[in-house]
Amino acid sequence: DQQVKQNSPSLSVQEGRISILNCDYTNSMFDYFLWYKKYPAEGPTFLISISSIKDKNEDGRFTVFLNKSAKHLSLHIVPSQPGDSAVYFCAASAGLTGGGNKLTFGTGTQLKVEL
Amino acid sequence: EAQVTQNPRYLITVTGKKLTVTCSQNMNHEYMSWYRQDPGLGLRQIYYSMNVEVTDKGDVPEGYKVSRKEKRNFPLILESPSPNQTSLYFCASSLYLGNSPLHFGNGTRLTVT
Repeated sequence: DQQVKQNSPSLSVQEGRISILNCDYTNSMFDYFLWYKKYPAEGPTFLISISSIKDKNEDGRFTVFLNKSAKHLSLHIVPSQPGDSAVYFCAASAGLTGGGNKLTFGTGTQLKVEL
Repeated sequence: EAQVTQNPRYLITVTGKKLTVTCSQNMNHEYMSWYRQDPGLGLRQIYYSMNVEVTDKGDVPEGYKVSRKEKRNFPLILESPSPNQTSLYFCASSLYLGNSPLHFGNGTRLTVT
């Protein structure tokens, strides 16, 4: 049972345009959401997070939006740069209520930013 | 430099030959965890540890063991590896229980023939 879903395995965007990566979840106990970026031959690195008490969090070119009623979050990258080409993982946690700081990951979306 | 270090980066072994993948972090993190990454399945948690001598199963613990004798180290042990354990493994740590981002190592690519 995939509790965190990223339905687009890949996305191609032109440099300078907006990249929108989507993520859906099914567990209503999730209250903390993160995005990780992964380059080949490296481990995932933390990008941005959002708590369920917010609906938007912004950090430079990266903005995460959370729609709790739809159980959906998205990551916007504006403007997209070639260095953003990587696999992006969405992750969710039930935080303290879930115990163990367990993160449940999606299957990832390969973003390619073309010149 | 703050980091999570895994060794080895690449490992090829045969079915049934016991192996250990080491993981060490230098950030004084309480929480450590092991994940495996497989195509189409994302990252799945194998085991985690909330502190020294405290470990618990994740989503896919079968065939694996862990120990946490020291805060900085969290080795993953495969007593009798099988081909279905061929995967990319990541160790991760975070500061505390709760909403704290994980810091990942660079991964160990394991092939079991």
